[in-house]
Amino acid sequence: DAKTTQPNSMESNEEEPVHLPCNHSTISGTDYIHWYRQLPSQGPEYVIHGLTSNVNNRMASLAIAEDRKSSTLILHRATLRDAAVYYCILRDTNAGKSTFGDGTTLTVKP
Amino acid sequence: KAGVTQTPRYLIKTRGQQVTLSCSPISGHRSVSWYQQTPGQGLQFLFEYFSETQRNKGNFPGRFSGRQFSNSRSEMNVSTLELGDSALYLCASSLARGVYEKLFFGSGTQLSVL
Repeated sequence: DAKTTQPNSMESNEEEPVHLPCNHSTISGTDYIHWYRQLPSQGPEYVIHGLTSNVNNRMASLAIAEDRKSSTLILHRATLRDAAVYYCILRDTNAGKSTFGDGTTLTVKP
Repeated sequence: KAGVTQTPRYLIKTRGQQVTLSCSPISGHRSVSWYQQTPGQGLQFLFEYFSETQRNKGNFPGRFSGRQFSNSRSEMNVSTLELGDSALYLCASSLARGVYEKLFFGSGTQLSVL
């Protein structure tokens, strides 16, 4: 299974942009890159996903490297409610099987 | 539209017992997957069901099993519970099985094995 590697933790100041990196050097051509975040005492929630092109939605932006071996989740203005564990996962052609890494714990300071 | 519902929210069992957890996916969603989350191992994939058939299985012993009903609701069963089975069990549903499909997670069932 393709794996992802993320930093264990990151800190940000409130209202500043945050760039959360993810390495996935063994990604295959048809794997989609998904990002989820998990707040305390909740299940993970979907943030964004993409295949090759950069993606934007109301929550965040996803920048995908040209070789697709890495990606970056961008929160444009971090708020205290963005403090969570962020997971970068690959959804492979086996479709139903998603491998979660250890995720990045984001701390947002007021 | 209601989200993914998992019951019960908390469960306490003793070693050797068995347990059944339930997951009701979002209406219209046909794919259901299960994950185990522990502080040491993180989120680990258990299995995935689609149209009442198990499509994928993670690296867990045969004590872990599941099924999906015709209305897409799913159950997972753990027999002969061990202390190490204490974890948060999460269920996720998606509309279909495509790699682009978003996963919608429930709040999980916290299982404690004493």
